[in-house]
Amino acid sequence: DGGITQSPKYLFRKEGQNVTLSCEQNLNHDAMYWYRQDPGQGLRLIYYSQIVNDFQKGDIAEGYSVSREKKESFPLTVTSAQKNPTAFYLCASTPGSYGYTFGSGTRLTVV
Amino acid sequence: GDSVTQMEGPVTLSEEAFLTINCTYTATGYPSLFWYVQYPGEGLQLLLKATKADDKGSNKGFEATYRKETTSFHLEKGSVQVSDSAVYFCALTANQAGTALIFGKGTTLSVSS
Repeated sequence: DGGITQSPKYLFRKEGQNVTLSCEQNLNHDAMYWYRQDPGQGLRLIYYSQIVNDFQKGDIAEGYSVSREKKESFPLTVTSAQKNPTAFYLCASTPGSYGYTFGSGTRLTVV
Repeated sequence: GDSVTQMEGPVTLSEEAFLTINCTYTATGYPSLFWYVQYPGEGLQLLLKATKADDKGSNKGFEATYRKETTSFHLEKGSVQVSDSAVYFCALTANQAGTALIFGKGTTLSVSS
């Protein structure tokens, strides 16, 4: 079945460490997105990519980086510059304006 | 910029009660409107959507009508079940290919038997 796979489900980061969250889709969708979810804050857009080798900053891009070398993959790196990275991260994709599909999320905790 | 405002929770109901979760939006043009549901520890699932004014989206007993005159998309269900307990998000997107979803802050629903 087609879908989005996020890994790992749980991730622990030490202070000053970079970590990368994986997002892979086999839906042949052009556009992919990363959101951050905090309690009571809803989902906020970090980065998005509408085509391979191109991406744009969302509302809260500081301290994060992405790449889009393949259509299927859109990894998110949480850098040491992100001062409060503990959150639930969701990846999504869409072929157009409708039919957004979400992954099951990665919960990142700073230890 | 575009935004979504939904009622704050938590909303606590008894089984078989009527549910309304209010959602209003601000947007230029004619956005598409969505309701998503999130169960604990999981991603988001599309509950229903409407793409133009006066459209009614419906699924699993939930429904919402796109009201352009009041810029609203309120979620309703006539008789909630314990299994409906979850977080509900109202969202919009501009009708352009690849545009990101913009979400409200979510409303937690808790249904007791």
